[in-house]
Amino acid sequence: EADIYQTPRYLVIGTGKKITLECSQTMGHDKMYWYQQDPGMELHLIHYSYGVNSTEKGDLSSESTVSRIRTEHFPLTLESARPSHTSQYLCASSRTGVSGYTFGSGTRLTVV
Amino acid sequence: AQRVTQPEKLLSVFKGAPVELKCNYSYSGSPELFWYVQYSRQRLQLLLRHISRESIKGFTADLNKGETSFHLKKPFAQEEDSAMYYCALRTQAAGNKLTFGGGTRVLVKP
Repeated sequence: EADIYQTPRYLVIGTGKKITLECSQTMGHDKMYWYQQDPGMELHLIHYSYGVNSTEKGDLSSESTVSRIRTEHFPLTLESARPSHTSQYLCASSRTGVSGYTFGSGTRLTVV
Repeated sequence: AQRVTQPEKLLSVFKGAPVELKCNYSYSGSPELFWYVQYSRQRLQLLLRHISRESIKGFTADLNKGETSFHLKKPFAQEEDSAMYYCALRTQAAGNKLTFGGGTRVLVKP
């Protein structure tokens, strides 16, 4: 089924660890996005990509990095996790010419 | 910079009562406005967009460029409408990326 998938759903990890949050979509969308959302708060765009080998930083500064080597895959990496990175991370995708986004289920990250 | 403001963090209404969620935006050009909804334990999903002029699940929203508003309304709230609602703005000036408001939690009481 065409969809967008995020793994893991929940992650608790120690300070200083390297982590990668996975996001894959099977809808053939060319654009992909990462949003950060604290509970009950607004969504902040941290990274986006308009195609393979294209990545840009969003409105909210983030210590994370992303890559887009394949159209369907847009992983987010934190080289050294800190408690301040504790948040929910939402991945989304869209197709050029179509205005709506499709969101994944999110990854709730807790750094202890 | 473009901005979306949802002044109410929480709206609590009784079943059958009208509900209106306020959304104001700051942008001088021609924007695209959306409402997204997130039900408990579900993903964020598109509810409606202003260009479609549609009614979804009894909800409607009218873009008022003079007041830079895009309020979401439903005349008779149902318990299943309890959710988190986000207003979002999309403009060419921002590279067609979505900017979200802070969200409004709606609680419909029986």
